[in-house]
Amino acid sequence: AQRVTQPEKLLSVFKGAPVELKCNYSYSGSPELFWYVQYSRQRLQLLLRHISRESIKGFTADLNKGETSFHLKKPFAQEEDSAMYYCALQGAQKLVFGQGTRLTINP
Amino acid sequence: KAGVTQTPRYLIKTRGQQVTLSCSPISGHRSVSWYQQTPGQGLQFLFEYFSETQRNKGNFPGRFSGRQFSNSRSEMNVSTLELGDSALYLCASSLASGRGSYNEQFFGPGTRLTVL
Repeated sequence: AQRVTQPEKLLSVFKGAPVELKCNYSYSGSPELFWYVQYSRQRLQLLLRHISRESIKGFTADLNKGETSFHLKKPFAQEEDSAMYYCALQGAQKLVFGQGTRLTINP
Repeated sequence: KAGVTQTPRYLIKTRGQQVTLSCSPISGHRSVSWYQQTPGQGLQFLFEYFSETQRNKGNFPGRFSGRQFSNSRSEMNVSTLELGDSALYLCASSLASGRGSYNEQFFGPGTRLTVL
């Protein structure tokens, strides 16, 4: 079975502080993992995917198969990073989302 | 290129009624997936259509059904509505089916369904 767990529903940090949004997954095969973001009054959109290994808007995420994790990190948070973040896993059949973490960046 | 569009944007129905939601994918996209988003359950996969065929299905009762037309537009139908069906229904399109390969999904704005 495919499962994605985001343990934090809410996360609040100050501007300039480091941010880490946690994501753990359960999948027997070789997963493809993504982070999607939904800014206020905007559509859900892809932020980054693990296979690209790129940094988007200063965010990076590393797939750790040993710990079955795909945490999202940014060294210095900005106010415009406030949004809802979803970790997602693409297995053989479908895209499964975690419950989401609402990130709030305080000025 | 126009994004994914969904109609209607808002809908109010009463228990027992049925509802049909529509989704127009990005031009050239052949896969359409539907999700239910609620505060309690988050984003849950309903089903995916590719080339007019249902490819994948989530764990929803048979009251939830869908179809896809030859132009890739898709409709989702919910019969015998229940209060718990109140949710934001999101549609997403991608170039191809998600089976075994990565295909970025582009989401529509959603249809907010309220069941009274």
